[in-house]
Amino acid sequence: AQTVTQSQPEMSVQEAETVTLSCTYDTSESDYYLFWYKQPPSRQMILVIRQEAYKQQNATENRFSVNFQKAAKSFSLKISDSQLGDAAMYFCAYLFTSGTYKYIFGTGTRLKVLA
Amino acid sequence: DTAVSQTPKYLVTQMGNDKSIKCEQNLGHDTMYWYKQDSKKFLKIMFSYNNKELIINETVPNRFSPKSPDKAHLNLHINSLELGDSAVYFCASSLLGAGNSPLHFGNGTRLTVT
Repeated sequence: AQTVTQSQPEMSVQEAETVTLSCTYDTSESDYYLFWYKQPPSRQMILVIRQEAYKQQNATENRFSVNFQKAAKSFSLKISDSQLGDAAMYFCAYLFTSGTYKYIFGTGTRLKVLA
Repeated sequence: DTAVSQTPKYLVTQMGNDKSIKCEQNLGHDTMYWYKQDSKKFLKIMFSYNNKELIINETVPNRFSPKSPDKAHLNLHINSLELGDSAVYFCASSLLGAGNSPLHFGNGTRLTVT
């Protein structure tokens, strides 16, 4: 069964610094997709970044980038120049594309940004 | 222009009651989902419909019954509410087959059962 693990329940970062949130997953599939979502206190779920497993190049979106290591089944999120507005829960998600399309989420990492 | 909208935003009710949550999306997506987020923030899939057909039905008590009148709407009816049903329920949609199509979420319905 596909599982997604976020081993850091909580992380802190100083404003303007860089932080990396870790995510590992377990799958026997070769074709899949990975996502990071942000959930601020407003509870809205916001897509941060996505990665196709068949692409070797790591995805980037402005201050957000990923380190995708397919062999290690690792998908970490790096936030550069952290801002107070980055404080939120961050969820890693795996899209299982064989058969039904099922998005499986990790348990989340709460990110605190210190002024 | 709200992409995925669900109502109500908050729902407070007593044990034993029956309640419904409605969801609508205007993104032209063909697949809709219900997720439950518990007090520890864990997101668990409950159901998924593709073009009105149920395609994912996780281990959920049969007091929960989803209904999809068309591919733009997915409702969730809950019978005989229990304290453990208190959670935030998220509706989401995506485009099946568009591999990197992310989930688009509604703003959630916070259900409190007293």
